[in-house]
Amino acid sequence: SQTIHQWPATLVQPVGSPLSLECTVEGTSNPNLYWYRQAAGRGLQLLFYSVGIGQISSEVPQNLSASRPQDRQFILSSKKLLLSDSGFYLCAWSVGSTAYEQYFGPGTRLTVT
Amino acid sequence: AQSVTQLDSQVPVFEEAPVELRCNYSSSVSVYLFWYVQYPNQGLQLLLKYLSGSTLVESINGFEAEFNKSQTSFHLRKPSVHISDTAEYFCAVSDAGNNRKLIWGLGTSLAVNP
Repeated sequence: SQTIHQWPATLVQPVGSPLSLECTVEGTSNPNLYWYRQAAGRGLQLLFYSVGIGQISSEVPQNLSASRPQDRQFILSSKKLLLSDSGFYLCAWSVGSTAYEQYFGPGTRLTVT
Repeated sequence: AQSVTQLDSQVPVFEEAPVELRCNYSSSVSVYLFWYVQYPNQGLQLLLKYLSGSTLVESINGFEAEFNKSQTSFHLRKPSVHISDTAEYFCAVSDAGNNRKLIWGLGTSLAVNP
């Protein structure tokens, strides 16, 4: 069966510090991978998605970047965090070229102080 | 562009009462429809989906949703809710312009009170 991992679960970082969040998927090959952000009391905002190694689509211009160094690994990064980067970050995966269901990881709660 | 509207941001209800969470989408082209549930500080879990076939779909924990093409709706219902159903519920629709993406509603917070 497929499993998706995210770490860390929680993170408190000062403004201006770097960020690296990691997501890995097990039990499937060539998944589509997604990074979402969920601000307090608000819906899901798609940040990046990837259909293959090294292929990243950015949905929102911002302070963040994403990379996919391996088939089942997706990394979200920032060189300098802003207060507005605080939120709940969710990684998700799907398979195929049609938007059947996406499956979500447990999320990372990021607080920028 | 496709959009999803969840008409109620918060729905309070008493335990064992029926509930309906409303979802409307903007496009009449062929779509795939989903409901997800999110418990506090957790990721989203797929509750049920409509891809094709019967317009009434059911989940294992008593929720059901009906695809209504003429009204472009996919409302979620449960005849009798439990305290444990307290959560955030999200409606999502496939993006007709990019089949790998989903378009999300802003969510409905369901609060079940004793």
